[in-house]
Amino acid sequence: GDSVTQMEGPVTLSEEAFLTINCTYTATGYPSLFWYVQYPGEGLQLLLKATKADDKGSNKGFEATYRKETTSFHLEKGSVQVSDSAVYFCALSDTGTASKLTFGTGTRLQVTL
Amino acid sequence: GAGVSQTPSNKVTEKGKYVELRCDPISGHTALYWYRQSLGQGPEFLIYFQGTGAADDSGLPNDRFFAVRPEGSVSTLKIQRTERGDSAVYLCASSIPGHTDTQYFGPGTRLTVL
Repeated sequence: GDSVTQMEGPVTLSEEAFLTINCTYTATGYPSLFWYVQYPGEGLQLLLKATKADDKGSNKGFEATYRKETTSFHLEKGSVQVSDSAVYFCALSDTGTASKLTFGTGTRLQVTL
Repeated sequence: GAGVSQTPSNKVTEKGKYVELRCDPISGHTALYWYRQSLGQGPEFLIYFQGTGAADDSGLPNDRFFAVRPEGSVSTLKIQRTERGDSAVYLCASSIPGHTDTQYFGPGTRLTVL
């Protein structure tokens, strides 16, 4: 079945550091890929998405590129801020499963001054 | 506009009791999803409604779990004979017609079974 594997946290960075959170996936069809973010005390929010190979999703300075050859969708940001502290979830939606999302276990990011 | 709302925000019950969790989707969203998130895990799919009907209930763990959406808007997730292992945050999401790959999540209901 479909699955998503993402790096374990917590990830602790100083403000303005470069961020990478790794995500790889297994899917039977041609999935869409997503990053969701959960800020403290808030619900899940869509951060960015990509629907086909080589697409790049971007939002709020975050980027991720859909790499079919490596089945990866790594999240990157060039300069993190304290306000980026949250839990980040990688997810996929397979074309054969009516858009239900399959999530990774989440990676907690803590950014310090 | 208003987002997805879920009630109650917290529910504490005793083992063996029956509980109902409510989800009010964004107005006009025809697709509605339920997920369950255990501590330290990502959300796991339970069931998906398109309109009033359950289009995919493959994620329901057993027959103690049931969900309805009688008028195609509000949905209720029902859990019978609750067990301690049912303790989790139950999340609801909705999406607009033709854009089911973008889901908007509610804040969740934290269920604790003692």
